[in-house]
Amino acid sequence: EPEVTQTPSHQVTQMGQEVILRCVPISNHLYFYWYRQILGQKVEFLVSFYNNEISEKSEIFDDQFSVERPDGSNFTLKIRSTKLEDSAMYFCASQIGAQRQYFGPGTRLTVL
Amino acid sequence: AQSVSQHNHHVILSEAASLELGCNYSYGGTVNLFWYVQYPGQHLQLLLKYFSGDPLVKGIKGFEAEFIKSKFSFNLRKPSVQWSDTAEYFCAVNGGGGSQGNLIFGKGTKLSVKP
Repeated sequence: EPEVTQTPSHQVTQMGQEVILRCVPISNHLYFYWYRQILGQKVEFLVSFYNNEISEKSEIFDDQFSVERPDGSNFTLKIRSTKLEDSAMYFCASQIGAQRQYFGPGTRLTVL
Repeated sequence: AQSVSQHNHHVILSEAASLELGCNYSYGGTVNLFWYVQYPGQHLQLLLKYFSGDPLVKGIKGFEAEFIKSKFSFNLRKPSVQWSDTAEYFCAVNGGGGSQGNLIFGKGTKLSVKP
């Protein structure tokens, strides 16, 4: 089965630093998503991306967050100035058409 | 507000016991419903999905779920669990029609199966 990949698997950063989380979606997929899961809480939607622009975003996705698909393969999530409460598992997902979303293994972000 | 409720936080069963995990949703309009599983140290994997048609859907590894529209429920079942089913199970929903919409997840149910 095709897979979504994410790097790094674990990122540790200091509060106030910028981080970039990387995802490689499945190659022919068209819709891309970021979700996060704070420890012990539910998986929450952050943002969806289609046709090189954001199609939907949640309240969590404020000005500190941005997404890019710089080269047609990678899909990145940038947090400009990390806060302690950004510590979470971040999942990327991709989808083609009206089908299921395929999830990556996640990046665990720890903000100290 | 759109939401998904999974009432069981942690379920502990012995092997061969039957399983039913509850899922209720609140969502306006038509829905697509999903169960995802996350084995320890692994990523979310789709167990089964409902888009339309037969409300009883069968997924991988012997799991099934029944969509009961009148009860806004999509409970997951398996007649006989195995130790390898130990994992966390997430119910999720998005809007029907073209399912490109973001998923709304429940909090998850951790299943521990004793050998």
